[in-house]
Amino acid sequence: DGGITQSPKYLFRKEGQNVTLSCEQNLNHDAMYWYRQDPGQGLRLIYYSQIVNDFQKGDIAEGYSVSREKKESFPLTVTSAQKNPTAFYLCASSIWPSGKETQYFGPGTRLLVL
Amino acid sequence: AQSVTQLDSQVPVFEEAPVELRCNYSSSVSVYLFWYVQYPNQGLQLLLKYLSGSTLVESINGFEAEFNKSQTSFHLRKPSVHISDTAEYFCAVSVDTGFQKLVFGTGTRLLVSP
Repeated sequence: DGGITQSPKYLFRKEGQNVTLSCEQNLNHDAMYWYRQDPGQGLRLIYYSQIVNDFQKGDIAEGYSVSREKKESFPLTVTSAQKNPTAFYLCASSIWPSGKETQYFGPGTRLLVL
Repeated sequence: AQSVTQLDSQVPVFEEAPVELRCNYSSSVSVYLFWYVQYPNQGLQLLLKYLSGSTLVESINGFEAEFNKSQTSFHLRKPSVHISDTAEYFCAVSVDTGFQKLVFGTGTRLLVSP
């Protein structure tokens, strides 16, 4: 079955630590996205990638970094510069970054600060 | 820039009653509209979308939404809800500007009780 996997399901971060969230898709989609979800705020775009070896900042990129070395993978690193990282992180992909395309979402990673 | 407003943060309803979840958007250009559903601690799933053509779109599980350009609305309705419809519902808008930036509303939590 094709889909998007995210790991881990829960992640704990200590003060000053960088952590990396994994996102893998086997849908053969070109575009991938990272969103942050906070209660009552909907989803906000962190980074997106339209093609391998290319990515752009979204609305709230500060304190985060990404890479896109393979079509299937789009890991997100939450750096120590992100002062309020506690949130639910969702990865998504679409066939092509066109306005008409459906985005398919992974199950999410919940990040908590120790 | 586009924006989406979901005025109701929570909608309680009894099983088998009808429900309407409201969504209004703003945009200076033509839009594509989406409704996504999120069950607890899961990712988002597409419920239905409007791209063009008939203004009434339906999902496979009995939901429908009507695109109203004059009122800039895309309200979601179901004539008879089930307990299993309890979830959070997100309205989203995008446009074709070379990149699909999906802008989400803040979500409406539908609570169905027996």
